[in-house]
Amino acid sequence: GAGVSQSPSNKVTEKGKDVELRCDPISGHTALYWYRQRLGQGLEFLIYFQGNSAPDKSGLPSDRFSAERTGESVSTLTIQRTQQEDSAVYLCASSLVPGAYEQYFGPGTRLTVT
Amino acid sequence: GNSVTQMEGPVTLSEEAFLTINCTYTATGYPSLFWYVQYPGEGLQLLLKATKADDKGSNKGFEATYRKETTSFHLEKGSVQVSDSAVYFCALRPEKLVFGKGTKLTVNP
Repeated sequence: GAGVSQSPSNKVTEKGKDVELRCDPISGHTALYWYRQRLGQGLEFLIYFQGNSAPDKSGLPSDRFSAERTGESVSTLTIQRTQQEDSAVYLCASSLVPGAYEQYFGPGTRLTVT
Repeated sequence: GNSVTQMEGPVTLSEEAFLTINCTYTATGYPSLFWYVQYPGEGLQLLLKATKADDKGSNKGFEATYRKETTSFHLEKGSVQVSDSAVYFCALRPEKLVFGKGTKLTVNP
């Protein structure tokens, strides 16, 4: 079956612009996670959805970052007024249920802020 | 809080060499432990996992044993291949995944 998909695969934007990153989880997966991977760094947790609600937003780095999920399916991560330090690969993952052992990762969106 | 510390790379080995990538963790409670692998140009994939102390996870010739007494989950493979060249991440999860910084492995023929 289809895995987790993300779009766009690459995004180049100018500093100060807003961007939206999309994640389509595996159908039927109730849990959805966003991570960020900056160059030479490990993965940083950003936010986690259980259904359409976000019990844990603790990783969002600032109020410029927000995310929503609708229909217990697609999720959008929005970064407002982008800064150069936002440049990273943004990864989405889903799991069948929260706390399930395996999370399935999408290919990521590479964001470059110039 | 929960954290993972893993051996920083890059690591360069010859084919058929023995591999160890060290990983230690700090956690409250009893987390599950994971190794993820990211092959060039691909997304993260789960390599192996262990869910309780003394469990050994294994896959594709890789092994790691959950050692509670040393809070470690070192990744080992007896004979690496060129196709094992990738970035390896150690992770733990009581609820959300907490990752190490990754170790880049290059295996030369």
